[in-house]
Amino acid sequence: KQEVTQIPAALSVPEGENLVLNCSFTDSAIYNLQWFRQDPGKGLTSLLLIQSSQREQTSGRLNASLDKSSGRSTLYIAASQPGDSATYLCAVASGTYKYIFGTGTRLKVLA
Amino acid sequence: GAVVSQHPSWVICKSGTSVKIECRSLDFQATTMFWYRQFPKQSLMLMATSNEGSKATYEQGVEKDKFLINHASLTLSTLTVTSAHPEDSSFYICSARWGSEQFFGPGTRLTVL
Repeated sequence: KQEVTQIPAALSVPEGENLVLNCSFTDSAIYNLQWFRQDPGKGLTSLLLIQSSQREQTSGRLNASLDKSSGRSTLYIAASQPGDSATYLCAVASGTYKYIFGTGTRLKVLA
Repeated sequence: GAVVSQHPSWVICKSGTSVKIECRSLDFQATTMFWYRQFPKQSLMLMATSNEGSKATYEQGVEKDKFLINHASLTLSTLTVTSAHPEDSSFYICSARWGSEQFFGPGTRLTVL
């Protein structure tokens, strides 16, 4: 059974810092991994999608990497801003395409 | 881009009543849709997989008689919470599969009084 864990559970940083969010999964047989952002009381915003054959994806200040063999993904946020404050979720899609979500990292960027 | 809508966005109901939530793929056909539930300060938990024209597949611990799922067309899946109770209050999110990708709806917040 696939299990997805995110570390840290919460993170508070001053504005401008570069930061790394971690996601680990137990079953390396995945189709893809996706990083989402969720603001309080809101739905999901897709940030980056990495297919199983890819090693990384980049969008603006965000970079996500995937190492299937070790069951890890990282989301790198450069030059963090207060507007980046949100909960970040990683989700892994396996054989039936259903997503298993991680536990989330609550990020707060202080002005 | 692929868009998924949900209706209603929020609903308040009395204990014992039933509530129906719709999930629509607006610009693509989705043979498979998924329903998730999110309790406060928790992550999303998959409830069931909905396949067009066939019975839904429920995850372990999810009562199929309480959470009725109908996927009558390639663009619409509905989730009906029957005899709702306060513990069913949650954020319900659907997603629709297109190829190897999934697109998520904006969610429906259910409050049962």
